[in-house]
Amino acid sequence: EVQLVESGGGLVQPGGSLRLSCAASGFTLSNHYIDWVRQAPGKGLEWVGRTRDKGSSYTTEYAASVKGRFTISRDDSKNSLYLQMNSLKTEDTAVYYCVRPHDSSWSGAYFDFWGQGTLVTVSS
Amino acid sequence: DIQLTQSPSFLSASVGDRVTITCRASQGISSSLAWYQQKPGKAPKLLIYAASTLQSGVPSRFSGSGSGTEFTLTISSLQPEDFATYYCQQLISYPITFGQGTRLEIK
Repeated sequence: EVQLVESGGGLVQPGGSLRLSCAASGFTLSNHYIDWVRQAPGKGLEWVGRTRDKGSSYTTEYAASVKGRFTISRDDSKNSLYLQMNSLKTEDTAVYYCVRPHDSSWSGAYFDFWGQGTLVTVSS
Repeated sequence: DIQLTQSPSFLSASVGDRVTITCRASQGISSSLAWYQQKPGKAPKLLIYAASTLQSGVPSRFSGSGSGTEFTLTISSLQPEDFATYYCQQLISYPITFGQGTRLEIK
């Protein structure tokens, strides 16, 4: 059974840093892209970024709103993904989801597995 | 960036009703569209991908159609468990974007 479990959320001051983790199980992580999606309280879904699979050299993509501040990394040997968030702003307050696209093609890029999410609150 | 606009943003309906939600893209996206259902406090759930393909395990009362810039999600006969928020998503270019959501409530 595919599972994604996020952790690491919490309260952080503006300008601070936080690292989220996503523990993956039930599939071979190195063969899959993994994305992060966030949802501010009472708001819609916003794509944050993506790490591609081993075959694509683990390259990454980011939304403009987080580029230069957030970094996605992974350790396939630990079946884990990470979202390093620096220079946090109040508008980064959200539930952060780790999600798995079905496959690496655009036609298969839909998100068929989601974690339960972890809440990040940026406030003084 | 490709903008997705859902209509309506809010919909009130009764059990047994047929409802349709529309998603319009700011430029053509072929059939690279997915639909998700989200209930309060839960992660979104994939309903439909490639505009019209039903995800495994999703009831057949859900259907999707469209291509290019206009897409629809139809629920043929609303059930109590269908009251939720629905999002469309484009999967043809970065950044991946979602519609603003349609909240479906019980009348």
